[in-house]
Formats: sequence, C-alpha cells, structure tokens
Amino acid sequence: DGGITQSPKYLFRKEGQNVTLSCEQNLNHDAMYWYRQDPGQGLRLIYYSQIVNDFQKGDIAEGYSVSREKKESFPLTVTSAQKNPTAFYLCASSIRPGTAINTEAFFGQGTRLTVV
Amino acid sequence: RKEVEQDPGPFNVPEGATVAFNCTYSNSASQSFFWYRQDCRKEPKLLMSVYSSGNEDGRFTAQLNRASQYISLLIRDSKLSDSATYLCVVNVAPTGFQKLVFGTGTRLLVSP
Repeated sequence: DGGITQSPKYLFRKEGQNVTLSCEQNLNHDAMYWYRQDPGQGLRLIYYSQIVNDFQKGDIAEGYSVSREKKESFPLTVTSAQKNPTAFYLCASSIRPGTAINTEAFFGQGTRLTVV
Repeated sequence: RKEVEQDPGPFNVPEGATVAFNCTYSNSASQSFFWYRQDCRKEPKLLMSVYSSGNEDGRFTAQLNRASQYISLLIRDSKLSDSATYLCVVNVAPTGFQKLVFGTGTRLLVSP
C-alpha cells in the first residue's frame, strides 16, 4: 500500500541530545514537509522540500535540520539548540503543483517527542 | 497578520444542526485551498479541496471568496462523528511550488 511512514511513534530524548525523526513515502511525491504541533495549537511549518537535494526553511526552522538525499526520504534532526523540542511532529508529502489537479498533502501518523 | 486565520471555537452544536466555519488568508496570490479534519492526537486528513466555483461533498460544502480572501466550510445535518478540529490550509507559494500553511483550527463539538 502507498503511504507515508514516520518512525518512531514515540521518542524520548535527554536534554542536550540530538535526535533524528524518520519520514519515508512511497507515493512518488516530489514535495515533503515537516510540521510541529503543540497541545491545543495549530501546525507550524519547520522545513519543506520541493525536490530532491533542495529544501527551504519554514517559519520555525531554528534548532532543526533536514536533508533530502532521496525522493522517498526527508529526515528531521532536532538538535540540542532547539529550546523547547517536546511536541508532536508531523511529516507530509504532496505532488508538486502543475503536475496534477489536486495537490493536497498526505500525512504520516506523527512522532511524539518528549524531552526528559 | 497571520497568513491563515481561523476562529478557534469551540463550536458546540446539537446533532442535526448546520454549522459554518470561516477562514481568512493574507496572501492574495495564494493558489490552492483545503479543509482538513484532525481528530484528537491523530494526524490531519483531507476533508476536501476548495475550488473557485465552490464544491460540495455530501453534507459538506466549501466556498472560496477571492475578493475578500476567505474560504468557508458548511456542515449540514451534523453528526456526532463530525466532532473534530477543522483545519484551513492555504498554499502560499508562487505558481508551480507549494508551501502549505495551516490555520490553528476550529474545534467542533456535536452533542446528542
């Protein structure tokens, strides 16, 4: 089945440690995104990528890094520089505009990161 | 001004009621628009895309008003299962690209 997979579902990190969240899709989508959601709040864009080997900062990129070496994969590293990393992280992918009528984003099930 | 703004609610309605949500966006060049539904502690899922001519899917109707820069979602004959948070989403990137910005969501509670 086609879809987008995030792992792990739950992640605990000690303060001062870097941690990498995995996001893989087999939908052949060009665009991929990382969002963060805090309790009772909306989704905020961290990074997004329109195509392999290219990505742009979103609204809250500080303390995060990404790579896009393969079309299928868009891992997110939460670094020790991120001051308040505890949140629900959501990865999404979509077709690039111009290649289809509908360009909606499909989401993975998310990773809940807790700093202990 | 936020790129996408929604009334957070909650909207408390009885079963069978009709309820409407609005969402405003600041970038007049925005190309595409969506409504997503998010259940508690789950990922958002597409409810419907919003087209210029308006579109309907069963009990749900979406409208776009480019002149006033808002989109709306109308839910008729509300069901208990409609209780969720409804997210307005706008593509704010230039033509040919996609940067999806989410509103904070409007919470709907449908009661018996």
